[in-house]
Amino acid sequence: DAGVIQSPRHEVTEMGQEVTLRCKPISGHDYLFWYRQTMMRGLELLIYFNNNVPIDDSGMPEDRFSAKMPNASFSTLKIQPSEPRDSAVYFCASSRGSYYEQYFGPGTRLTVT
Amino acid sequence: GQQVMQIPQYQHVQEGEDFTTYCNSSTTLSNIQWYKQRPGGHPVFLIQLVKSGEVKKQKRLTFQFGEAKKNSSLHITATQTTDVGTYFCAGPNTNAGKSTFGDGTTLTVKP
Repeated sequence: DAGVIQSPRHEVTEMGQEVTLRCKPISGHDYLFWYRQTMMRGLELLIYFNNNVPIDDSGMPEDRFSAKMPNASFSTLKIQPSEPRDSAVYFCASSRGSYYEQYFGPGTRLTVT
Repeated sequence: GQQVMQIPQYQHVQEGEDFTTYCNSSTTLSNIQWYKQRPGGHPVFLIQLVKSGEVKKQKRLTFQFGEAKKNSSLHITATQTTDVGTYFCAGPNTNAGKSTFGDGTTLTVKP
């Protein structure tokens, strides 16, 4: 298996623009997680899905952030409008169950100027 | 809610010295997972411990799960420069399908 795939790997955008991050989980994994990592705040869980259904989005910073999982092999995290404080590395991870290990993608490094 | 704390936050060692990081949970865990993130990389799963008092080894790495299943440790013997990175522990939240990650311990190794 190719592992968790994320795109783009790097994104540089201007404040106010819409940003869409994409993730393809490992086939057969029922759980998908979106994390944000910064030096100041560490690794933060934003939202997670089980069988394509959002279960907990309490980590989503504000209404500018939204996530979808239209099918078992694809998820998006959208920021609209983006702000400089959104600059971070965004990781997607998947697992085959709530008590199983998570497999992380390579991440998307987002820079908002 | 569940909290997972790791100490120390940073550790600088000379190559060849030993290293230990500790993980403590505010609640009893069904299992504990350890991950390693190399600089510029992504967290990579290392191991999972399930049983009370369990000890597992991976070459120079020794992982231990406490008897009360509320704490864990990772010990590296004779560190090498390849050990640099941030080590995270994570414990599943029994009330939800997610795991709570600790803040990590960042290890630097001086050659």
